Amino acid sequence: QKEVEQDPGPLSVPEGAIVSLNCTYSNSAFQYFMWYRQYSRKGPELLMYTYSSGNKEDGRFTAQVDKSSKYISLFIRDSQPSDSATYLCAMSAALGYGNKLVFGAGTILRVKS
Amino acid sequence: DTAVSQTPKYLVTQMGNDKSIKCEQNLGHDTMYWYKQDSKKFLKIMFSYNNKELIINETVPNRFSPKSPDKAHLNLHINSLELGDSAVYFCASSQDQRRPNSPLHFGNGTRLTVT
Repeated sequence: QKEVEQDPGPLSVPEGAIVSLNCTYSNSAFQYFMWYRQYSRKGPELLMYTYSSGNKEDGRFTAQVDKSSKYISLFIRDSQPSDSATYLCAMSAALGYGNKLVFGAGTILRVKS
Repeated sequence: DTAVSQTPKYLVTQMGNDKSIKCEQNLGHDTMYWYKQDSKKFLKIMFSYNNKELIINETVPNRFSPKSPDKAHLNLHINSLELGDSAVYFCASSQDQRRPNSPLHFGNGTRLTVT
């Protein structure tokens, strides 16, 4: 079993839909949670960051962490065709040199206009 | 102005050859990384350098050898290439791993195909 599990999709939604992307993890030591967005033929870029449990909102994006269930989510409201990309969750147990960021395999999202 | 640049963008080579990938960052970051992304998009760390010092060395075959001539450059040399080495290799940098909101800045990847 991988440390971080993520449904690869693809997930196809119409423009304007609310999108829910999820990851589960097995390592209870993880406390730092991130979402990266990767467009085709490009490197990933940081979208959202959260520490421990709770919610964080940034524009149309909301990140949620439920440490008791070892489950994190990214919600996208009013999805746009420009949101079509691969979304990778990533997490680490601690900060500092030598601490590794563990990525999920990514979910491909397609928003149709 | 490109922040993390990798060359070459594409690399097609035969089994058994030796090849290098170069990476440069102009962000002034102290830490640089090599990640491998396989065909299923799974992104996994290979190496991490901080100020030219090797910090993370994952269980990667010793055919892979990173080299950091200065903190703005991190190159990856691969000896005796195998079919299984075919993947996209990403270079990344970060400002300070001790800060919680210090993101990784990725290059656009080098697509390596071994035939």
